[in-house]
Amino acid sequence: QVQLQESGPGLVKSSETLSLTCTVSGGSVSHYYWSWLRQPAGKGLEWIGRIYASGTTKYNPSLEGRVTMSLDTSKNHFSLDLTSATAADTAVYYCARDSNHFDYCGQGILVTVSS
Amino acid sequence: DIQMTQSPSSVSASVGDRVTITCRASQSISNWLAWYQQKPGKAPKLLIFTTSSLQSGVPSRFSGSGSGTDFTLTISSLQPEDFATYYCQQGNSFPFTFGPGTKVDIK
Repeated sequence: QVQLQESGPGLVKSSETLSLTCTVSGGSVSHYYWSWLRQPAGKGLEWIGRIYASGTTKYNPSLEGRVTMSLDTSKNHFSLDLTSATAADTAVYYCARDSNHFDYCGQGILVTVSS
Repeated sequence: DIQMTQSPSSVSASVGDRVTITCRASQSISNWLAWYQQKPGKAPKLLIFTTSSLQSGVPSRFSGSGSGTDFTLTISSLQPEDFATYYCQQGNSFPFTFGPGTKVDIK
């Protein structure tokens, strides 16, 4: 059974970089695409981007320029960096396994961007 | 970007009711349509992928249909655990996008 767990700071200062890691168990990050999603409180879901083990990435143009994703096969985890964070980036962030749909998701981590 | 719309935005229903939720894409997405259930404070749970394929472990009262731009999620007999918000998502082209959600609550 594949399990994903997000980790990282729950509080980020405005203009700084929001950094999260997703650790995968029960499966290898060397297979499949892996994505990040986010959901502001009381709102809908937004896809942030995806990464494959080869390092191939695809980002949402709404965030492109601020987003970088990376993957570490030795640690079986993948990561998200979102630069120049603002209050609009306050949300619950989910990592997910991606087959053009998201069949396994982490429990989510609330990240608050404060001024 | 492909825009996804859902109707209704909310529905009040009783246990045992048949519930149908519609999702429309702004352009054809072939059969790359997924449905998710989300309960408060929880991650979205995949119910249906590629329009009509039932995710493992999901009860057979959930079904999906459609193609092109118009899709439907049907719950044949609503159970107490089905009260939640439902989202559609297109996986045909980047960026992947979600519908705004349909809240199913108790009548």
